[in-house]
Amino acid sequence: DQQVKQNSPSLSVQEGRISILNCDYTNSMFDYFLWYKKYPAEGPTFLISISSIKDKNEDGRFTVFLNKSAKHLSLHIVPSQPGDSAVYFCAASGDGGSNYKLTFGKGTLLTVNP
Amino acid sequence: DVKVTQSSRYLVKRTGEKVFLECVQDMDHENMFWYRQDPGLGLRLIYFSYDVKMKEKGDIPEGYSVSREKKERFSLILESASTNQTSMYLCASSLWENGYRGQGQETQYFGPGTRLLVL
Repeated sequence: DQQVKQNSPSLSVQEGRISILNCDYTNSMFDYFLWYKKYPAEGPTFLISISSIKDKNEDGRFTVFLNKSAKHLSLHIVPSQPGDSAVYFCAASGDGGSNYKLTFGKGTLLTVNP
Repeated sequence: DVKVTQSSRYLVKRTGEKVFLECVQDMDHENMFWYRQDPGLGLRLIYFSYDVKMKEKGDIPEGYSVSREKKERFSLILESASTNQTSMYLCASSLWENGYRGQGQETQYFGPGTRLLVL
């Protein structure tokens, strides 16, 4: 069973517009959420995170929103740039078992067209 | 900055060979992880270690073993490589210790990855 789901395998947006990447989770024990960005042939790089005590966290062009009642989080990128084209992974921590682990979604490929 | 390095970027091995993938982190992190990434399957956890000489199985440990003799080094071992182990292998580390939840220490930092091809 997949506890973290990214239902859109891919997303295409125009440069300068907003990119919205979505993530749903099923385990109500999760209390910390992260987004990673991954270019081909490289390791994922940490982008932004949010604790379950917050509903929004912002860092420059990146904002993560958390809706605990819906078990949903989203990453907004404004404005989108061609260099943002990458695979984005959503991850969650605190599943009630091992607190060391992150549970990852399968990723969304974002393509930003010039 | 956290630095996680992996011993090889690309490896080609033959079926049945014993394969060692090494990972080193320089930030004195407690926890280290091995993942594999395959198209359409995301990141899947193979093994992790929360202390020297301690290890726990992840979601797909079959066919793999690990070794952590020193805090900064975590090795993944393929005892007898098979073609279905062709993949991108990613090592990560995190600082997280008991009692410090939600303050960023859960964040894992990844190495550049090793692309392994088993023929």
